[in-house]
Amino acid sequence: DTEVTQTPKHLVMGMTNKKSLKCEQHMGHRAMYWYKQKAKKPPELMFVYSYEKLSINESVPSRFSPECPNSSLLNLHLHALQPEDSALYLCASSQGIGLGQPQHFGDGTRLSIL
Amino acid sequence: QQQVKQSPQSLIVQKGGISIINCAYENTAFDYFPWYQQFPGKGPALLIAIRPDVSEKKEGRFTISFNKSAKQFSLHIMDSQPGDSATYFCAARKSNYQLIWGAGTKLIIKP
Repeated sequence: DTEVTQTPKHLVMGMTNKKSLKCEQHMGHRAMYWYKQKAKKPPELMFVYSYEKLSINESVPSRFSPECPNSSLLNLHLHALQPEDSALYLCASSQGIGLGQPQHFGDGTRLSIL
Repeated sequence: QQQVKQSPQSLIVQKGGISIINCAYENTAFDYFPWYQQFPGKGPALLIAIRPDVSEKKEGRFTISFNKSAKQFSLHIMDSQPGDSATYFCAARKSNYQLIWGAGTKLIIKP
């Protein structure tokens, strides 16, 4: 079992809905990441939080809104998504941002937009 | 400059054989090269990683070979098993946060 826990595992929502994805880690990691992965493609970085502050936003549309309430939790708030946003959303964490500190991934939330 | 090119796209190997996946890069500033293994319905899991000052790293049946002058690195899976069937991604560290990922290789080990 992965040490990065993501809920829910599956989510189906309409284009007008508001929902949130949750990610939790208890490894004491201080960097947390959101990735989007389409089928048969590598993960694409969306956001990075370091010490609970947003460090990187990879030009992600505003319909995706990240939040880091504390060092163990990471949320991704979703609103007015488009069908092309259907994908696997992965959370990852790392001890820090230095060399040789690998990113540990959760198993993702499979998101389907109707 | 920022790409990592991975080949082959798919690979079928007989049980007990050697699986070899190759990656090439251009940016000499990359300083860390991990390989991730991903099973269907799961997130990527770190398999093995190497720094460019090392030419080879071995962990069990998995070996990374690194050729700094050629800007290439490869994953070798010895004695491949059906349980190794997965998608493998190479990556290169661009900065403190960012990995540049290869396109992935779907590996099938035939019993």
